[in-house]
Amino acid sequence: AQSVTQLDSQVPVFEEAPVELRCNYSSSVSVYLFWYVQYPNQGLQLLLKYLSGSTLVKGINGFEAEFNKSQTSFHLRKPSVHISDTAEYFCAVSGPGTYKYIFGTGTRLKVLA
Amino acid sequence: DVKVTQSSRYLVKRTGEKVFLECVQDMDHENMFWYRQDPGLGLRLIYFSYDVKMKEKGDIPEGYSVSREKKERFSLILESASTNQTSMYLCASSSPVASGNTIYFGEGSWLTVV
Repeated sequence: AQSVTQLDSQVPVFEEAPVELRCNYSSSVSVYLFWYVQYPNQGLQLLLKYLSGSTLVKGINGFEAEFNKSQTSFHLRKPSVHISDTAEYFCAVSGPGTYKYIFGTGTRLKVLA
Repeated sequence: DVKVTQSSRYLVKRTGEKVFLECVQDMDHENMFWYRQDPGLGLRLIYFSYDVKMKEKGDIPEGYSVSREKKERFSLILESASTNQTSMYLCASSSPVASGNTIYFGEGSWLTVV
């Protein structure tokens, strides 16, 4: 069975500082990995996804993530955050041949002025 | 752009009422989903559907049912609402071909059961 772990429930960071949000997954088969962002009172929007190919994936709003198969991780990074990045971020795993998407419990990123 | 539309953003219902949450997607996606989101628990899958009239239980189907009579529409039904069903409900859709396996979400429906 697939599962996703987001170890950090909250991450405070100062504006213009770098940030890394951690995501680890478990799966016995090939995986598709996703990061979504949720702003207050809204649905989830796709930031980026890994299906295959290059392990470094670039997304919207300056975010990127790296797929590390040996460490079963897909950490999200941004070199310089803005106040507007304050939101909740969800990591998700799926895979070929499955309809299901498994989501982590989310990480609240709070960017401080 | 893919659009997933949930008919009601905010609802307040009484215990024991029958509640319908409607969802429509405009991208001809095969798969549709209903999730429930609660603080600290993330998103939990209630039901999903991979074709018209087809459905499968997710992780927390108890107290819920679904209906998919048309490809674009997926309804979540609470037969007899209870206070522990107060939550944010998210509808989503995806397609291996049309959406490149990306799952797209609606804006969410906040349900309060009193």
